[in-house]
Amino acid sequence: KAGVTQTPRYLIKTRGQQVTLSCSPISGHRSVSWYQQTPGQGLQFLFEYFSETQRNKGNFPGRFSGRQFSNSRSEMNVSTLELGDSALYLCASSLLSASSYNEQFFGPGTRLTVL
Amino acid sequence: GQQLNQSPQSMFIQEGEDVSMNCTSSSIFNTWLWYKQDPGEGPVLLIALYKAGELTSNGRLTAQFGITRKDSFLNISASIPSDVGIYFCAGTPGAGGTSYGKLTFGQGTILTVHP
Repeated sequence: KAGVTQTPRYLIKTRGQQVTLSCSPISGHRSVSWYQQTPGQGLQFLFEYFSETQRNKGNFPGRFSGRQFSNSRSEMNVSTLELGDSALYLCASSLLSASSYNEQFFGPGTRLTVL
Repeated sequence: GQQLNQSPQSMFIQEGEDVSMNCTSSSIFNTWLWYKQDPGEGPVLLIALYKAGELTSNGRLTAQFGITRKDSFLNISASIPSDVGIYFCAGTPGAGGTSYGKLTFGQGTILTVHP
């Protein structure tokens, strides 16, 4: 079974631009969570989607948004990029089974550099 | 917000030695997860724990869910060079219910193994 895939793997943008990152979960997984990883703040939760609905959101500004499609694929968007948005953006999917409800499986991430 | 304190921050050991790291929280967690992250990759799930006192092994790795539900530890026996990486604890706070896709992460333990 294929793992979580994320595209693109690397991205370079300039301040003020916007960016869209894509995530395809493991087949059968309907929950997708997004995280931002930086050396200073570590791994921080952005939001989670299930059945095309955002069920949970972390403490990030409204410039960070996401959506989920009917096939469970998800995208996140960051508008008006700032230098501090440079980070590794990780997507994780979960089966939400009764025996492994909170287990999340991560993709390789998208490395975003804002110049 | 919720924080997990993971220690030690880094470890330098000789191949063949055993390793122990732990994670503590000021509040109750209902799930503890341990991940390993290699450079440029996403975290890989090693062990998941769901019950207080639970002790679970995965090859040379053993993890335990503390009986107070506020801590967890990970042991690696007979370390080998490929154990090098960053180890993260993660969990879902609360006495029950769902976190809707939000994992709280520790700061990570950087493990270096000398051949």
